[in-house]
Amino acid sequence: AQSVSQHNHHVILSEAASLELGCNYSYGGTVNLFWYVQYPGQHLQLLLKYFSGDPLVKGIKGFEAEFIKSKFSFNLRKPSVQWSDTAEYFCAVNVKNYGGSQGNLIFGKGTKLSVKP
Amino acid sequence: DVKVTQSSRYLVKRTGEKVFLECVQDMDHENMFWYRQDPGLGLRLIYFSYDVKMKEKGDIPEGYSVSREKKERFSLILESASTNQTSMYLCASRPSGSTRRSQHFGDGTRLSIL
Repeated sequence: AQSVSQHNHHVILSEAASLELGCNYSYGGTVNLFWYVQYPGQHLQLLLKYFSGDPLVKGIKGFEAEFIKSKFSFNLRKPSVQWSDTAEYFCAVNVKNYGGSQGNLIFGKGTKLSVKP
Repeated sequence: DVKVTQSSRYLVKRTGEKVFLECVQDMDHENMFWYRQDPGLGLRLIYFSYDVKMKEKGDIPEGYSVSREKKERFSLILESASTNQTSMYLCASRPSGSTRRSQHFGDGTRLSIL
């Protein structure tokens, strides 16, 4: 079965530190990849997404992610985190044949990021 | 902006009660979803719907049912609530046409079953 793995359950960083959150998926076909963020008390918001083309995608708030097909990975990065980046981050994969013809999202278990001021 | 509205932010019910969670979206999206979010488990799909009166089971449908009588509204029903259904429930919607389109989420309903 398809699955999404996020390696870190909880990451604690100081402000200005660099961030990389790992995401790996298990599916050999075409996938659409997403990162969502959930700030405390708020709804999930789309951070960025990848479908095709340049494997380095840029999202909102200075985040970017790199798709490495050979590693089945889609890691999220930010060069310098801020206290306001404290949130939970979810990687998700849309597999076309999962859940019917239109596909559904398979989510990772999430990574909590705590940024110390 | 897409607006997905869940009727309650917090809900407390008793074991054995029939519980209704309501979700409304205002963007004429064909697809709607119900997830539950639990610490350390991420989001798990309960049910989804591609059209009015259409429903499909997700990964964890046991103990739940859904109703979609109108395009904008998708209801999750706990037939006989149990304590292991205490969780955060998230509703989402997405237009049809491409798997590239992202889902839009509501604020969630934190449900406690006593």
